[in-house]
Amino acid sequence: EVQLVESGGGLVQPGGSLRLSCAASGFTVSSNYMSWVRQAPGKGLEWVSVIQSGGGTYYADSVKGRFTISRDNSKNTLYLQMNSLRAEDTAVYYCARDESHYDSSGYYHEWFDPWGQGTLVTVSS
Amino acid sequence: SSELTQDPAVSVALGQTVRITCQGDSLRSYYASWYQQKPGQAPVLVIYAKNNRPSGIPDRFSGSTSGNTASLTITGAQAEDEADYYCCSRDSSAKVFGGGTKLTVL
Repeated sequence: EVQLVESGGGLVQPGGSLRLSCAASGFTVSSNYMSWVRQAPGKGLEWVSVIQSGGGTYYADSVKGRFTISRDNSKNTLYLQMNSLRAEDTAVYYCARDESHYDSSGYYHEWFDPWGQGTLVTVSS
Repeated sequence: SSELTQDPAVSVALGQTVRITCQGDSLRSYYASWYQQKPGQAPVLVIYAKNNRPSGIPDRFSGSTSGNTASLTITGAQAEDEADYYCCSRDSSAKVFGGGTKLTVL
């Protein structure tokens, strides 16, 4: 069964750091694009970061320079290192496999599937 | 950066058809995917690659696109379809989500 399980969330003070983990089963993290998506309380979804199968990384402007996405191939696990945390980073953080393919007409399609259950990060003093 | 606009709330009578729309310039270049999220749960993919449904998603869910607008249609809405729905597309090297539509089944 393809599954993602996040961990590492919790309460942290403003300016602090936290590392989230996302353990995958049923597929290989390093062979796929993997993303982090967050959802502030009562708000919508916000894409945070992606790591490509080749190792390239991209970030939302709101976290660029503060967050780092990485993976450990031996543990089949995705990470998100979050530094200089702010109150506005408070959210449930989801990891998701970032799938893509070209259809028969040559159009490129992308989607997130599966998603983990999420881990709550609260930034507060 | 690009934005995707969704109606905040839509309602539908049980068994009727409802269309949830998503507008944005990026949709002229990239197809949208659609996600269903129920309270306290993670999002679930319902439509991808124009109009494909993952295993387990009922065939009452369908997707379409025209110009800068993507649509998710539920034909014969059921009580269990009451949820938040989000569209998502590419924006340069990033991804962007719509603000979400809360669907109420009356």
